[in-house]
Amino acid sequence: QQQVKQSPQSLIVQKGGISIINCAYENTAFDYFPWYQQFPGKGPALLIAIRPDVSEKKEGRFTISFNKSAKQFSLHIMDSQPGDSATYFCAATPHIDKIIFGKGTRLHILP
Amino acid sequence: KAGVTQTPRYLIKTRGQQVTLSCSPISGHRSVSWYQQTPGQGLQFLFEYFSETQRNKGNFPGRFSGRQFSNSRSEMNVSTLELGDSALYLCASSLERNEKLFFGSGTQLSVL
Repeated sequence: QQQVKQSPQSLIVQKGGISIINCAYENTAFDYFPWYQQFPGKGPALLIAIRPDVSEKKEGRFTISFNKSAKQFSLHIMDSQPGDSATYFCAATPHIDKIIFGKGTRLHILP
Repeated sequence: KAGVTQTPRYLIKTRGQQVTLSCSPISGHRSVSWYQQTPGQGLQFLFEYFSETQRNKGNFPGRFSGRQFSNSRSEMNVSTLELGDSALYLCASSLERNEKLFFGSGTQLSVL
């Protein structure tokens, strides 16, 4: 129940395309769903986050879609650029307990 | 504002030794959490400290311990090192629990 399942493990997208990463969870107590972006040699950095009272949040080219009934959420990167090549982690937390991370998706954008 | 600082950046130890890693959070952040990152397991939560008190602990053996000082700086200790402890250890600080974590660049620990 404490797991966050992330897919795919790796993803290759052409420049200008849409990158989509999916996550699923079981614990209905989760109330905060962030996405983190990590470049080689660096720690993860918060990219965008959503709470379950909204179905979508957009920040620039990055959008989180949230389906509460299916217990799934996804990250969409529009007009993907080579600079977006990184590892992406979804996460979930019930706020009063520890944050649970997905296992990550290595995204590579072809120039 | 300075970011989260972790020292040392790289560490090589042998089995059976112990190691201490250090983390200085962003000024004003009182929550510090630690994570182990490995290629196969992703990011796994170790523990979280807030105002010198451990608020949460992950599923790691007792060989992994930590503490937080009055200035919010934190240390993590691993005793009796095993080969499987080789990993990137990340520290993160935040104002509010579990939200907007700011990570350091990590300490890469290799156990030989």
